Amino acid sequence: DAMVIQNPRYQVTQFGKPVTLSCSQTLNHNVMYWYQQKSSQAPKLLFHYYDKDFNNEADTPDNFQSRRPNTSFCFLDIRSPGLGDTAMYLCATSRDLGPNQPQHFGDGTRLSIL
Amino acid sequence: QQQVKQSPQSLIVQKGGISIINCAYENTAFDYFPWYQQFPGKGPALLIAIRPDVSEKKEGRFTISFNKSAKQFSLHIMDSQPGDSATYFCAASNFGNEKLTFGTGTRLTIIP
Repeated sequence: DAMVIQNPRYQVTQFGKPVTLSCSQTLNHNVMYWYQQKSSQAPKLLFHYYDKDFNNEADTPDNFQSRRPNTSFCFLDIRSPGLGDTAMYLCATSRDLGPNQPQHFGDGTRLSIL
Repeated sequence: QQQVKQSPQSLIVQKGGISIINCAYENTAFDYFPWYQQFPGKGPALLIAIRPDVSEKKEGRFTISFNKSAKQFSLHIMDSQPGDSATYFCAASNFGNEKLTFGTGTRLTIIP
């Protein structure tokens, strides 16, 4: 049973056209994360929510925003995508913060900017 | 100091052999070291993890060896199978910094 569900699985959008990716979880976890993974690279953390508290990584571009309207859902908004934003976007959850808290990943949204 | 260095970048092992992937870190505050397995088109999945208070952890065919003084840890896959072909990422984190620092990944291919 899928526990972290990302939609859509594939998204193609035009340069500069806003795009929203969604993530839902059935685990009732407190923490939700968004990662960017470019081809043959490690996942790179963009930001995370602990409950409603938003935590942005220092090097995450302002172009990237996130919303978490409730425990189950989290959205990644890219306001004006550039060609360099073509990547796999991964959502993950963990029960709580801190080490020993396994992160559970979804299967990602593969985003292509044309 | 936040880096985790992973090697090799790619690895080919014959079926039934032992696959070994190595990672090294600098930040002595790291106290949680997970390994993730990622198949093409899928998200990473937690495979096995270790805390620095033990030197080895085994789960089935997968073993983490941890050397605290050398700041190194490795993943051993015994009796490697074609189904183990995937990309493996080591990672590290510490309490107070919830960010997982990933290694650069190893693409493992098991050949018949």
